[in-house]
Amino acid sequence: ELKVEQNPLFLSMQEGKNYTIYCNYSTTSDRLYWYRQDPGKSLESLFVLLSNGAVKQEGRLMASLDTKARLSTLHITAAVHDLSATYFCAVDTYYGQNFVFGPGTRLSVLP
Amino acid sequence: KAGVTQTPRYLIKTRGQQVTLSCSPISGHRSVSWYQQTPGQGLQFLFEYFSETQRNKGNFPGRFSGRQFSNSRSEMNVSTLELGDSALYLCASSIELTDTQYFGPGTRLTVL
Repeated sequence: ELKVEQNPLFLSMQEGKNYTIYCNYSTTSDRLYWYRQDPGKSLESLFVLLSNGAVKQEGRLMASLDTKARLSTLHITAAVHDLSATYFCAVDTYYGQNFVFGPGTRLSVLP
Repeated sequence: KAGVTQTPRYLIKTRGQQVTLSCSPISGHRSVSWYQQTPGQGLQFLFEYFSETQRNKGNFPGRFSGRQFSNSRSEMNVSTLELGDSALYLCASSIELTDTQYFGPGTRLTVL
């Protein structure tokens, strides 16, 4: 059974600081997705990582994938308050036939 | 470019009833996925449709079903509702499942 873990589950950080959210999964996969959800809102797709070594960046967020370590990271650079949200990773082991989300990391960026 | 729309936005049903939720994808998107979000189970994948065919299905009982029409609009149906079906149901569309997905606002279903 595919399991997806995220660390930390809660993160409180100050503006201007850097931090990394980790996503570990239990089964071989080369498709990993990152999403953002604001309180009371729907999901927003951030990144789709489709191969080992994939790195994508958008603004202050950068995501990477290491399929051998079964690990993806979401790095936050110089955090700002607008990044406060819950971040989910999801892993797909066979084109959607086993699509599992992590529990989410609730990020709070304090001024 | 119009976004993904879901109707209705809110729904209250009683146990044993059935419900149909609708999702209209972004024009040109042929992949439509459905997800359930609850406080207890988190986010779970329900199914994905592509060009009117269900390609993938999550681990949900047969009470949960869906379909996709030739214009890519999709519906999901839940029969014999249970209290545990109370959730936010999200729909997402994309050109392909491995492309960026665009989510609708969700339908919040409450089962009493």
